[in-house]
Amino acid sequence: NAGVTQTPKFQVLKTGQSMTLQCAQDMNHNSMYWYRQDPGMGLRLIYYSASEGTTDKGEVPNGYNVSRLNKREFSLRLESAAPSQTSVYFCATKRDRGGNQPQHFGDGTRLSIL
Amino acid sequence: AQKVTQAQTEISVVEKEDVTLDCVYETRDTTYYLFWYKQPPSGELVFLIRRNSFDEQNEISGRYSWNFQKSTSSFNFTITASQVVDSAVYFCALSDDTGGFKTIFGAGTRLFVKA
Repeated sequence: NAGVTQTPKFQVLKTGQSMTLQCAQDMNHNSMYWYRQDPGMGLRLIYYSASEGTTDKGEVPNGYNVSRLNKREFSLRLESAAPSQTSVYFCATKRDRGGNQPQHFGDGTRLSIL
Repeated sequence: AQKVTQAQTEISVVEKEDVTLDCVYETRDTTYYLFWYKQPPSGELVFLIRRNSFDEQNEISGRYSWNFQKSTSSFNFTITASQVVDSAVYFCALSDDTGGFKTIFGAGTRLFVKA
């Protein structure tokens, strides 16, 4: 009954280091999303995958890359971390790309870049 | 362009008070969907409700009620007889079927309910 699982939950990086955030879902959902949450700014979409085999940029993609490894897994990579990427990252899924579908969220990854 | 505005950054009430969280949205689409999500202090995001643009009926679920008014582009959320467990950040969100894979979130309203 895991739903959406994000790893790790916390991470501290130094500027310039790289890192991959992992997201796995057991809901058999087709669409997956990566958001970042910053104080006073709500959730902003970084990248999304409407279905297996496709990925597209969201509102704030610079500095990130993604991989939809299979239907279950969607990873987010920071190639060269910057302090501006300090944030809480959420992975979310939807059954499909339909606008009427609610999103199901993981518990988040709190990332600090020093 | 789509936009969701939650003008109230923080609200503080005393337990048992009623409180309304405001949400105003902008969209050019005729078919769209509005959502409310709750983020308690533990950090996870929980879906509360969805309304379709073609259904303006208000909805009540226990102490929670939602008032959807297309004429004012608002989708407000009222908690009646608030409880400490209602303390959370509440997000209003908007999506449609054309860009349906994108959901636009408001900045959130942080609600403090004091005992």
